[in-house]
Order: sequence, then structure tokens, then C-alpha cells
Amino acid sequence: EVQLLESGGGLVPGGSLRLSCAASGFTFSSSAMTWVRQAPGKGLEWVSTISSSGAATYYADSVKGRFIISRDNSKNTLYLHMNNLRAEDTALYYCAKDSNSWVNWGQGTLVTVSS
Amino acid sequence: QSALTQPASVSGSPGQSITISCTGTSSDVGGYKSVSWYQQHPGNAPKLMIYEVIKRPSGISDRFSGSKSGNTASLTISGLQAEDEADYYCCSYAAGNTHNYVFGTGTKVTVL
Repeated sequence: EVQLLESGGGLVPGGSLRLSCAASGFTFSSSAMTWVRQAPGKGLEWVSTISSSGAATYYADSVKGRFIISRDNSKNTLYLHMNNLRAEDTALYYCAKDSNSWVNWGQGTLVTVSS
Repeated sequence: QSALTQPASVSGSPGQSITISCTGTSSDVGGYKSVSWYQQHPGNAPKLMIYEVIKRPSGISDRFSGSKSGNTASLTISGLQAEDEADYYCCSYAAGNTHNYVFGTGTKVTVL
């Protein structure tokens, strides 16, 4: 059974934060991975995708230059390094398996950016 | 990249059919077969209902069907049931400088 467990969220006064997504139940090193976020009471927003090897990364314009997606295939873990956080980055951050048509999702980790 | 346009709400009685539209442009919905639909109940993660416009993942009821015409994709729920009450989001691959996805604005489905 595919399991994705996000962690690392919290209340931050701006600055930086690193989210993690621990994966199990599938061959992590063979799967692209994606981050999607959802602001409180709002819709879904694609954030970033990384290829299975980590060689290719893609970002939404809203986070480009501030967020970095990475992975450690030896630890079956996906990361999202978030820098220069803004109030509008406040959201529940989900990790999802694959680069599109996301069947498997975690339960999310909440990031709250307070000024 | 602007969000795809969905109606804010759609409602129907049990047993009826409803259709949710998702309107984009030729640079996203109209240009690619990579349109998917997600169902989200309050407090839960999204659930994939339709992918590649018309395909259903394993375990998804055939009451859910997808289609596309031009720049508009649609999700039809037939035989509406109480458990179908949820938020629904479309999503499409979008052309640009890089790999990019855009979600719809979301539709609240209410079963009367």
C-alpha cells in the first residue's frame, strides 16, 4: 500500500522552512513526485514536480526562485525547501506520487506564515 | 497561468445527473489530453476520479465520466448519491516555459 507522510509544517514568521514527505509501499526511486498546496478555504494549486532521479525540477511561477524541490532516493523522502516565505504561502501542503494524474496523496502538512 | 474556470456550485437530487464544466484555453485544456478530475471531501485529501480526459482509475464508479470539447472539459456524475456531495476540481497540463499544471477554481456539488 502506497503511503505518503508529510511533516515539517508549522507557524513561521516568514523566513524559511523545509517540508518532508516520507514514502513507502512503492519503488520511490522510479516515481516522479509532486507538491500541491491548498490555502485555507481555497482551491488546489500545483507547486512543484521532480523527476524520479531528481535531475529535472519544475515550479509554479508563484514559487519559482523561492522554493526548491529535492529528493533523497536512499531515504525514500521528498523535500520542499521554502525560502522567503510570504503570507500567501499559508496553506496545507500535500505530496503526491507521480508527475500528473495523482492517485496517491498524503494527508498534508500545514504551513502558516505570520507577519 | 490562470486557474481554469469552473462553476462555483452545482446541485441535483438523488438519482439525477449533473455536469461540471471546466473552461480553459488552447494552451491548457484545449491543447492536451492531460485533463484530470479530483473529488475532495472536507478534511480529506483529493481523490482522483478521472484522468486523461475520459479514463477512470481502478475502483472509481462508472457513474463518473469525463469528456472534452474544445477548451472545455466536463465531468458528469450520473445517478447522483449522497456521498457524491463534495468539492470537485479539474486539472490540466498547461503549455509554458516548463512542465506546468493548472487546477480549476473548484465546484461544490450539493445533493438536495
